[in-house]
Amino acid sequence: AQSVTQLDSQVPVFEEAPVELRCNYSSSVSVYLFWYVQYPNQGLQLLLKYLSGSTLVESINGFEAEFNKSQTSFHLRKPSVHISDTAEYFCAVSDPYAGNMLTFGGGTRLMVKP
Amino acid sequence: NAGVTQTPKFQVLKTGQSMTLQCAQDMNHEYMSWYRQDPGMGLRLIHYSVGAGITDQGEVPNGYNVSRSTTEDFPLRLLSAAPSQTSVYFCASSYSWGMENTEAFFGQGTRLTVV
Repeated sequence: AQSVTQLDSQVPVFEEAPVELRCNYSSSVSVYLFWYVQYPNQGLQLLLKYLSGSTLVESINGFEAEFNKSQTSFHLRKPSVHISDTAEYFCAVSDPYAGNMLTFGGGTRLMVKP
Repeated sequence: NAGVTQTPKFQVLKTGQSMTLQCAQDMNHEYMSWYRQDPGMGLRLIHYSVGAGITDQGEVPNGYNVSRSTTEDFPLRLLSAAPSQTSVYFCASSYSWGMENTEAFFGQGTRLTVV
């Protein structure tokens, strides 16, 4: 069984400041790791994913996440946030040998203030 | 290309009523799933299907039924609605296997209130 813990339920930050959203997971097998973003009143969209290879993965809108196997973490970072980044962010894992079934963390609400 | 379509977007039910939440995808995905989203709890898997005629229970299946008669459709049935089923429901689809096919596509959600 897998589980995902997002350590912060809300993160308030000022525009243009850096941000880190924390994610830790627990699994007895190797996993795929994902960050999904949910804008208000919308469904979830894939932000970035780690499957294998380089432990640092990037999204097209400036977010990056680093897979740390020893600490079982997959924290999401952005060096300078914008108002438009205000959303809820979900960390998720899947077992590559059990199909693409996702286990989600509780979510982190990022609130960017002007 | 519509992706994943959920209907209705909003619904209010009285305790004890039944209803079906509809989900359809046009991407020929084998894997479809239903989640409920509650504050602070993320998304929890209700039921899933790896292909037509095959369904299985997720983490929180009680009070819900599903069937998968076609690849495209995966309806979720509430048998006798209870206030604890007040939530936002999301349907998702993806390919079942393959490193290159790991992205899940989500519908816009159905906001259900049971009074």
